Amino acid sequence: DTAVSQTPKYLVTQMGNDKSIKCEQNLGHDTMYWYKQDSKKFLKIMFSYNNKELIINETVPNRFSPKSPDKAHLNLHINSLELGDSAVYFCASSQGNGPEAFFGQGTRLTVV
Amino acid sequence: GENVEQHPSTLSVQEGDSAVIKCTYSDSASNYFPWYKQELGKRPQLIIDIRSNVGEKKDQRIAVTLNKTAKHFSLHITETQPEDSAVYFCAATHSNDYKLSFGAGTTVTVRA
Repeated sequence: DTAVSQTPKYLVTQMGNDKSIKCEQNLGHDTMYWYKQDSKKFLKIMFSYNNKELIINETVPNRFSPKSPDKAHLNLHINSLELGDSAVYFCASSQGNGPEAFFGQGTRLTVV
Repeated sequence: GENVEQHPSTLSVQEGDSAVIKCTYSDSASNYFPWYKQELGKRPQLIIDIRSNVGEKKDQRIAVTLNKTAKHFSLHITETQPEDSAVYFCAATHSNDYKLSFGAGTTVTVRA
């Protein structure tokens, strides 16, 4: 059973398009995150949700909009995709504000 | 916010030798320091962590040390094996926070 799963695993799209990435966790965790890993492997937090409420929104362009329909799901919608959005996006979850984060397998987004 | 620096960026060791990765952090309020291993094309996975009330923790061939006064912590891998080849990330956070601040990563290559 996959603990944190994201779909799709790969996403290739043209500039200007709108796309979504979905994430689900079956660990019963209260907190979910989106991290971005750029081409230099640097991992940086984008958003954090606790019990469906936005806790952290790190200087991310407002083209990125997270949505948490329930505490087991956190989706990421990206409008008007740009070349610089190409990266691997990781969803993660943790219990409450417990910092031990479990990561999904990542979504490699390529904008052409 | 928290700033984590990690050195070296690349490390090549002979199989059987030890590998040491060092990190420093800026926020004295940080009290949780995990280490993640990321194999090529895979998700980051927690391999060991340490909390600020402990100076050292060991798990088989892996150990982590923490110096709160100097605000640095290190990962030690002994008797390295080819399967230890990966990118290793240190991170720091406060247990009341909802995000991990990651170092830039160390690419470890174990030569057979």
